[in-house]
Amino acid sequence: GAGVSQSPSNKVTEKGKDVELRCDPISGHTALYWYRQSLGQGLEFLIYFQGNSAPDKSGLPSDRFSAERTGGSVSTLTIQRTQQEDSAVYLCASSSRGGTGTEAFFGQGTRLTVV
Amino acid sequence: AQSVSQHNHHVILSEAASLELGCNYSYGGTVNLFWYVQYPGQHLQLLLKYFSGDPLVKGIKGFEAEFIKSKFSFNLRKPSVQWSDTAEYFCAVNANTGGFKTIFGAGTRLFVKA
Repeated sequence: GAGVSQSPSNKVTEKGKDVELRCDPISGHTALYWYRQSLGQGLEFLIYFQGNSAPDKSGLPSDRFSAERTGGSVSTLTIQRTQQEDSAVYLCASSSRGGTGTEAFFGQGTRLTVV
Repeated sequence: AQSVSQHNHHVILSEAASLELGCNYSYGGTVNLFWYVQYPGQHLQLLLKYFSGDPLVKGIKGFEAEFIKSKFSFNLRKPSVQWSDTAEYFCAVNANTGGFKTIFGAGTRLFVKA
């Protein structure tokens, strides 16, 4: 596609429910990132996929968070048993490769509200 | 692990004032440095980037940044801000720390008074 696409754009869920957030990166981009943007917290790194390498999961805040990337393209971020502190904007970005000097292109984000 | 610090969380300026936003990073090896901007209601977009060569980098809309390796800094500057520069600015570092992931600072919210 022309840009990074995320769905849904907004999600309201009840505490304790599971949610899935989807990211369609730019076609051909091998690197994909998930970040979380909370008020006053800036951009928090969650997970990074690069080609067929094992993902860097070092930013996932708890074992309730997981992500997968199927076929090197679409990615899904899953949050199990959501908590109110999970409320944030979840941003996906892709780049042409994960190596040196590459710009990340961002989607519009999914605003998650846990009530 | 790499980290990025932005010194100012909120900045308020009048139009035509000069701007400098501080950014420091913690990684000692080769780095690639970025400034991204997020205008109200829009997604993040690249403002400028440094890979190598001239440490003074010029970006869009009159912004520039200077890489000072000895200070681990990459400060953003603009000589004369406009109301339309009101946005949130993020400094980012991409380095080979077992994978070239990009880490962002906490962001600086700039408000320019007309």
